[in-house]
Amino acid sequence: EAGVVQSPRYKIIEKKQPVAFWCNPISGHNTLYWYRQNLGQGPELLIRYENEEAVDDSQLPKDRFSAERLKGVDSTLKIQPAELGDSAVYLCASSLDSNQPQHFGDGTRLSIL
Amino acid sequence: AQSVTQLDSQVPVFEEAPVELRCNYSSSVSVYLFWYVQYPNQGLQLLLKYLSGSTLVKGINGFEAEFNKSQTSFHLRKPSVHISDTAEYFCAVGVTGGFKTIFGAGTRLFVKA
Repeated sequence: EAGVVQSPRYKIIEKKQPVAFWCNPISGHNTLYWYRQNLGQGPELLIRYENEEAVDDSQLPKDRFSAERLKGVDSTLKIQPAELGDSAVYLCASSLDSNQPQHFGDGTRLSIL
Repeated sequence: AQSVTQLDSQVPVFEEAPVELRCNYSSSVSVYLFWYVQYPNQGLQLLLKYLSGSTLVKGINGFEAEFNKSQTSFHLRKPSVHISDTAEYFCAVGVTGGFKTIFGAGTRLFVKA
């Protein structure tokens, strides 16, 4: 089966600019996650979707971050405007349901200048 | 709320030697546990999982882990490591029915020739 696909792999932008990440989960996986991974740390959950509904976005900085999952399949994560502290790897993962192991994409490495 | 602690940030070991990566968790309810591996510039890949049943869990690449409820531990072991095992290893804990997985800070395994 095809894995979780993320794009772009790398993104370099100047602070205050907008940026968007895209994720295509494994077919049939109802649950989709966005994580942020800072250097030398484990992933931290930003938002979790069950189908098209965001059921846990408590860690998403809503003043500048937004996300959507169109038709319960692909998802986009947006930052506007980006700040220096947003430099990190943004990981997307999916699972059959919330109690099953997660399958991760290769991530998008974001660098803010 | 649950939490997970990986007791070693780095573990250097010689090739063909045994290794143990330590993980402790805290939770007041039943948990499920995972170990993931992350190679450079890649996402996380599931090594093994404990959902229920036998406390000794075997995973891919010759790794195994043992769930110890009394000591709230889930240590990862391999009897003989290879250079290719050099990577970051993450322990993760989730609460049954709680739908949220918490990741440890990671342990960097460095296998030397």
